[in-house]
Amino acid sequence: AQRVTQPEKLLSVFKGAPVELKCNYSYSGSPELFWYVQYSRQRLQLLLRHISRESIKGFTADLNKGETSFHLKKPFAQEEDSAMYYCAIHAYQKVTFGTGTKLQVIP
Amino acid sequence: DTAVSQTPKYLVTQMGNDKSIKCEQNLGHDTMYWYKQDSKKFLKIMFSYNNKELIINETVPNRFSPKSPDKAHLNLHINSLELGDSAVYFCAGSRGAGNTIYFGEGSWLTVV
Repeated sequence: AQRVTQPEKLLSVFKGAPVELKCNYSYSGSPELFWYVQYSRQRLQLLLRHISRESIKGFTADLNKGETSFHLKKPFAQEEDSAMYYCAIHAYQKVTFGTGTKLQVIP
Repeated sequence: DTAVSQTPKYLVTQMGNDKSIKCEQNLGHDTMYWYKQDSKKFLKIMFSYNNKELIINETVPNRFSPKSPDKAHLNLHINSLELGDSAVYFCAGSRGAGNTIYFGEGSWLTVV
């Protein structure tokens, strides 16, 4: 069975500080990993997916198959980054979300 | 145009009532979902439909019954509402299970 672990429920950082939101997964096949973001009282939306290898809003995430991780990083946090972040694994016919990490950027 | 729309956005109802939440997607996606987000912001899949066929039912009480009249719609009916059903329910769609999921704005259900 696939599983996604986000160990931090809340991550508080100061504006301008680096951010790393942790995500570990377990899946026996080749996973598709995604990060979704939910700003206050808005719908969840895709932030980035590992297959595209893009940087979105300054965020990047690298899939590390050896460590089974897909951590989300940004070198300099902005106040508008404050939101809930969900790591998700897409496998055949099923999507599993982590429990989410609330990022709070302190001005 | 809103890709995935669901109604109502807010719903307050008494225990024991029956209610429905409607969902429509105009993206031409073949897969639709219902997710429940609880007060701790945990997001849990409830149902997944592919081409109008149920493919995932994640141990949801049978008081919850999804209905997909066509590929663009996936409605959620809830019978005999309980206090623990209070949550935000998100409808979503994707082009196949391995692709980006597009979420609706959510329906805030409060059972009193």
